[in-house]
Amino acid sequence: ETGVTQSPTHLIKTRGQQVTLRCSSQSGHNTVSWYQQALGQGPQFIFQYYREEENGRGNFPPRFSGLQFPNYSSELNVNALELDDSALYLCASSPGQGAKSPTGELFFGEGSRLTVL
Amino acid sequence: GESVGLHLPTLSVQEGDNSIINCAYSNSASDYFIWYKQESGKGPQFIIDIRSNMDKRQGQRVTVLLNKTVKHLSLQIAATQPGDSAVYFCAEISGGATNKLIFGTGTLLAVQP
Repeated sequence: ETGVTQSPTHLIKTRGQQVTLRCSSQSGHNTVSWYQQALGQGPQFIFQYYREEENGRGNFPPRFSGLQFPNYSSELNVNALELDDSALYLCASSPGQGAKSPTGELFFGEGSRLTVL
Repeated sequence: GESVGLHLPTLSVQEGDNSIINCAYSNSASDYFIWYKQESGKGPQFIIDIRSNMDKRQGQRVTVLLNKTVKHLSLQIAATQPGDSAVYFCAEISGGATNKLIFGTGTLLAVQP
């Protein structure tokens, strides 16, 4: 158990719809990162939030957006869903802004499995 | 672009043997590397990390070796157990203030009883 919880665990959407995924970070962690993991691939960095501000983004279009709340929980929103958005979406929290934080590791949740039909 | 790759997509070993999982990275500026284990249906789990000023680091039953000359990373698992069966990813960070990990494709480790 990492203390990072994600919801929902599984969901099915159709093309063009919008989805919101949620993440509660481990207690005391002020940084949340989101990753997309396609089947059989390694996770790909989407973006990171630190103290409610986005402070890093990967190669994802603007229809991928996020929020971080004062309690450091976070949401990932994807608009105009495409078939290729089908993936496992992982949230990871850490106690510092950089991965080179005191413990040097990210704590991943179990992920939200999104299927787009 | 930057990439982290693995030489072997699958590795099958006998229980009790030692396992070696290899990884090549392309960004010579990367200064921090992490190995993750991902079991089916779960998120990646931190195994061990190493910074670029080191060439070896040991944990419990695991050792990570870093060869910056050839940009190569390996994970050694001693006395492999059935519970070690999973996909293993190496990941790199090349500086900056974000937690942007660049993951490889992964190696599936299958432990035969």
